[in-house]
Amino acid sequence: DGGITQSPKYLFRKEGQNVTLSCEQNLNHDAMYWYRQDPGQGLRLIYYSQIVNDFQKGDIAEGYSVSREKKESFPLTVTSAQKNPTAFYLCASSPPGDETTQYFGPGTRLTVL
Amino acid sequence: GENVEQHPSTLSVQEGDSAVIKCTYSDSASNYFPWYKQELGKGPQLIIDIRSNVGEKKDQRIAVTLNKTAKHFSLHITETQPEDSAVYFCAAEDSTLGRLYFGRGTQLTVWP
Repeated sequence: DGGITQSPKYLFRKEGQNVTLSCEQNLNHDAMYWYRQDPGQGLRLIYYSQIVNDFQKGDIAEGYSVSREKKESFPLTVTSAQKNPTAFYLCASSPPGDETTQYFGPGTRLTVL
Repeated sequence: GENVEQHPSTLSVQEGDSAVIKCTYSDSASNYFPWYKQELGKGPQLIIDIRSNVGEKKDQRIAVTLNKTAKHFSLHITETQPEDSAVYFCAAEDSTLGRLYFGRGTQLTVWP
């Protein structure tokens, strides 16, 4: 997991509530990524950011939002518009000049009741 | 975009045997292919990667081979041990977008 932290490890929310997942890194990495993992689905890209104040949609961005105000932080908000938010969420980052080599955080398991 | 297919989805081997996981990709422009190991409840860990200027790379009991013509690459684990039991993911890069596309994963179980 290195210097990538995600908190909390487990998160429970009621249906209809927005929730923000934290991702912080102290590796001086420029690029950061959010993935969603469901059983048998592999890793699906939600959003990614290659530089501060800029981010791009991934393959499943609907119902999610992000911000990148600081290099070290890339929070993900799961909004009430996300139909099936219960999943394991993974944050990753890449070293400068090597965006293809990604290192992952420990993940946050979100359960919406 | 890139499409990565991974097989098999589950693999069971006896301790000491070899395990092979195969992936295919669709974008001939892809040049970087990492493999990740994910233990239960944890984030994936990069275990080995290969770039298109080489055909094979080894790291102790783990090796990866790449066939760019056929657009497939494989992970080989020799002398498997119970601690090798995990989910393994392959991925292929889209260098234009600066992102990876992942396979669906292979659950490897090594029986003592």
